[in-house]
Amino acid sequence: ETGVTQSPTHLIKTRGQQVTLRCSSQSGHNTVSWYQQALGQGPQFIFQYYREEENGRGNFPPRFSGLQFPNYSSELNVNALELDDSALYLCASSSTSGMSGETQYFGPGTRLLVL
Amino acid sequence: QKEVEQDPGPLSVPEGAIVSLNCTYSNSAFQYFMWYRQYSRKGPELLMYTYSSGNKEDGRFTAQVDKSSKYISLFIRDSQPSDSATYLCAMKKAAGNKLTFGGGTRVLVKP
Repeated sequence: ETGVTQSPTHLIKTRGQQVTLRCSSQSGHNTVSWYQQALGQGPQFIFQYYREEENGRGNFPPRFSGLQFPNYSSELNVNALELDDSALYLCASSSTSGMSGETQYFGPGTRLLVL
Repeated sequence: QKEVEQDPGPLSVPEGAIVSLNCTYSNSAFQYFMWYRQYSRKGPELLMYTYSSGNKEDGRFTAQVDKSSKYISLFIRDSQPSDSATYLCAMKKAAGNKLTFGGGTRVLVKP
């Protein structure tokens, strides 16, 4: 069974640029959630994708957007990067969406530094 | 005030001791409770998953949920240096898809 994978592992961007992060879900999982984890803090929910549509969003501005593909992999796009966007971006996959009982399994994360 | 509060630590214990971790929360709608372990510069790893109030044991780990007090705990018996990590509690409502995390407690197990 293949776990959740993310790419790239590290990324350095400058303020105002755009970035795309990628995630492959665990085998058998059809739902992907994205979280932002600032240094020394717990992860914060950005949004979730199920059946290629956004299915729930946290308190993040529209410049954070995403996609899910037919193979359940997903992308997180961030436009107009700000210094505060520097964080570890985590992808988590699960087998159902919005229903009771599912658990989320996390990938290793992409560490983004905005200069 | 944050929905989920967790002491940041660090919590330092000698090898073999019991590690006691806890979180408090304010939203009574939370029904599912999880504990994740996160090593430095890695993604969170699911340790324990419980539904509603009660206890759950898995090897050296015991999770407790007291919904009446809005308080959850994780106990690690016979702690090892390899248990040194940050422990995150997370919670979810019955409906919806978002996990709400505490800030994490850093644990150091000294040989």
